[in-house]
Order: sequence, then C-alpha cells, then structure tokens
Amino acid sequence: DVQLVESGGDLVHPGGSLRLSCAASGLTFSSYVMTWVRQAPGKGLEWVSAISGRGRGTYYEDSVKGRFTISRDNSKNTLYLQMNSLRADDTAVYYCAKAPHYDIMIAYFYMDVWGKGTTVTVSS
Amino acid sequence: SFELSQPFSVSVALGQTARVTCGGNNIGSKNVHWYQHKPGQAPVLVIYRDSNRPSGIPERFSGSNSENTATLTISRAQAGDEADYYCQVWDSSAVFGTGTKVTVL
Repeated sequence: DVQLVESGGDLVHPGGSLRLSCAASGLTFSSYVMTWVRQAPGKGLEWVSAISGRGRGTYYEDSVKGRFTISRDNSKNTLYLQMNSLRADDTAVYYCAKAPHYDIMIAYFYMDVWGKGTTVTVSS
Repeated sequence: SFELSQPFSVSVALGQTARVTCGGNNIGSKNVHWYQHKPGQAPVLVIYRDSNRPSGIPERFSGSNSENTATLTISRAQAGDEADYYCQVWDSSAVFGTGTKVTVL
C-alpha cells in the first residue's frame, strides 16, 4: 500500500520559516506528481503547490508564490515544502497528496492518496 | 477562477440515499472528483472522473455530472459515511468545492 507521512509542522512566529516533509513508501515515487493541500481551521481544502515527477514542473497558489518552495528528493522518496515569510493566514493542516499522473497540467487531474497531515500554526 | 458551490450540509436517514451536489458553470464539460474527509484523518478519494470508483470504495458511492451540476450519491447510507465531502475539478489548477457535511441520522 502507498503511504504518505507528513512531518515538520510547528508553532512559528509571523515572518518565520518552516520546512515540511512528506515521506512516501509503497510506490515508484519519481513517477508521480506530488502536491501539498491545506485546510485552515473551519475552512475547506485548498491546493497549495505541486511538483512533477522529475521535479521540472512546479505550481504555486497565488497567495504563496514567492514565499513557498516545493521540492522533492526522488532518491529519498521525500517531498518538501519550504515555507518562508509565514503569515497568520498560513495557519492550517498541510496534507501531502499523490496524483496518479506524471505531469501537473492534466485536464482530469486528481489526487488518489493522501497523508494524515501536519499542523502549522503561525502566531505571535 | 472557477468556482464550485456545494450545500453546507446534507442529512440522510440511516439506510437511505444522500445526494451531494457540486455546482459550477458548465461543470459537465469538466472531470469531477470527490473526496471524503473525516476529522483527524486523511482525505479519501471516493469518485474520480465523474463516476469511477477507486478500488476499495463501496458500490454504494456513485457519481454523475451534467450541464451545471455534478452529484455524488451515497446509497444505503451508513453511520461510517458521516464526513465532509469535497468535489474538485481542474481549471488551470486544482479547484475544490466549498465542502458538504453529511450527517447520517
């Protein structure tokens, strides 16, 4: 079975930085797009960032562009999200999710396996 | 950006049928996917590409999509089906619906 386990969530001050990790197992990691999706308290799901299988293509939601960087280490089966200049509205549970695709820009794009999430709280 | 609207909540009696709608402009021309999300758990894909069920998802879950509305149908609802349900489409990015809380009475 495919498993995704997120880590790295923490309480951080506004303006601070944090790096999230997602360890994947049970799959050929480099074959799939990996994504980060977040859920702020009391809110719905929001697609944050995605990276193609080889890491050559990336996507960022407008509110995180220039502040967040997605990356992956296919030799370690691990996905990362470097978050800088954190703001209170970045407070959320961050989920790592796998898409059954190699590329991001696919009309039928969806996510077939998700992790349980890691909590990021931005507060002074 | 493309907007998807869902009812805030849907209630269904145990054993009956629940229908969760997802409205969007000409959504019938897009592929719609549905996720089940229980508190503290990982979201689960229950329907992909309008009407396909991943392995392990009961046949009680079905989906349809036409014109301006996509629908997730849960037949013979069970207590374990209580969750938030989100629709999702691709529109230059992955867009989620507002989410629907399904309560089984």
